[in-house]
Parts: sequence; structure tokens; C-alpha cells
Amino acid sequence: NAGVTQTPKFQVLKTGQSMTLQCAQDMNHEYMSWYRQDPGMGLRLIHYSVGAGITDQGEVPNGYNVSRSTTEDFPLRLLSAAPSQTSVYFCASSYFPVPSGGYTFGSGTRLTVV
Amino acid sequence: AQSVAQPEDQVNVAEGNPLTVKCTYSVSGNPYLFWYVQYPNRGLQFLLKYITGDNLVKGSYGFEAEFNKSQTSFHLKKPSALVSDSALYFCAAQEGTGFQKLVFGTGTRLLVSP
Repeated sequence: NAGVTQTPKFQVLKTGQSMTLQCAQDMNHEYMSWYRQDPGMGLRLIHYSVGAGITDQGEVPNGYNVSRSTTEDFPLRLLSAAPSQTSVYFCASSYFPVPSGGYTFGSGTRLTVV
Repeated sequence: AQSVAQPEDQVNVAEGNPLTVKCTYSVSGNPYLFWYVQYPNRGLQFLLKYITGDNLVKGSYGFEAEFNKSQTSFHLKKPSALVSDSALYFCAAQEGTGFQKLVFGTGTRLLVSP
């Protein structure tokens, strides 16, 4: 099925551990992005990419790295997990430059850092 | 800087009654505006968008939204609410030229009672 696939769905990390959240889309979307969702704060942009080899920071990039080696994949790396990174993470993609159909979101990764 | 405000954390409405979920935005230039819906433990789903043209935009599941440039508002409406409409609704905006950094509001929980 066409769409955005995120793995894992759930993850518990210890403080200081690192991990990669995976995001893959099969719609040939140029634009991909990562958001975190926290209660009362809506969705905040972490990093985004407008094509392979091109990434940039969003609103809350600290503690996260991204890369875009292919059009399909946009992994998010947590370098040294902190309790403040406990959140639900969403990957979203769209065509570029105009998202005629809106963004397509993955189903999310619920991350808990203890 | 772009911003989106959803002044109500929760909206309660009885089934069959009309509903309105409010959204105001601050975007330089012409805005692109979106509504998304999130059901429990799911990603966001695109409902509708305003890019240009008619100020009344129709979307999925019988929802519509009215763009008001003078009031910088983009309220979501439905003539007759269903219990199944109960969900979290997000308004989002981006500047209508160049680049696709989408800014979200904090979300409004809609509760439709039988």
C-alpha cells in the first residue's frame, strides 16, 4: 500500500542510548519531514528534506540528526537520548513545491526515554 | 514568524448539531492553509486545504472550512456532527511561496456526544 511507513511503533530507551527511527515512503515525494507531538504543543518540526542529499533544521533540531541518501528514506537519529525526547514522532511527506494533496503522515513512533 | 492559533483545547457538541473548530493564522504573504484530523493512536489525516480561489473549501467526511483573509481565520465547520467525528483536529499553515515548512496549531479535541 502506498504511504509512509514508520518503524518501530514503540520504543523504550535508557538515557544516553542512541537509536534510529525509520521512515520510508513509496510515493516518490521529494519533501520529507520529521515532527514531534507533545501534549498541548501540537506538532513541532525537527528536520526536513526537499530531496536526496538535502536536509535542513526545523524548529527543534537539537539532539537529532537526519540524512537523505535516497528519495524514499529519511531516518531520524537520536544521538544520546534524554527524557525530554519522550514524545510521539511523526514522519510526513509530500510533493514539492506545492503539496496539492496535503502531507501524508506515517502512523507514528511512540518513544519513551527513562 | 509563522504561527497558528487554535483557541479552544476542546469543543463539545451534540450529535446532529453543527460544529465549528476555530483557527487563526499569522503568515507573511498569501497563506496555504490545511486541516488535519488525528484519531487515537493514528497519524494525521488530511481533511482539506485552501490554496487560492473560493473562500469556502469542502473536504473529506462532510467537513468544510471558511477562509477569511481580513480576520486571518480558517475555521473548520460541519453542518451536522457525528459521534465518529470525535477526534483531535489540527490547523496548519505555510507561506504560499517558496518553501514548505508547515506550522501546526496546538490542536482542538472535538467531542461529539450521542
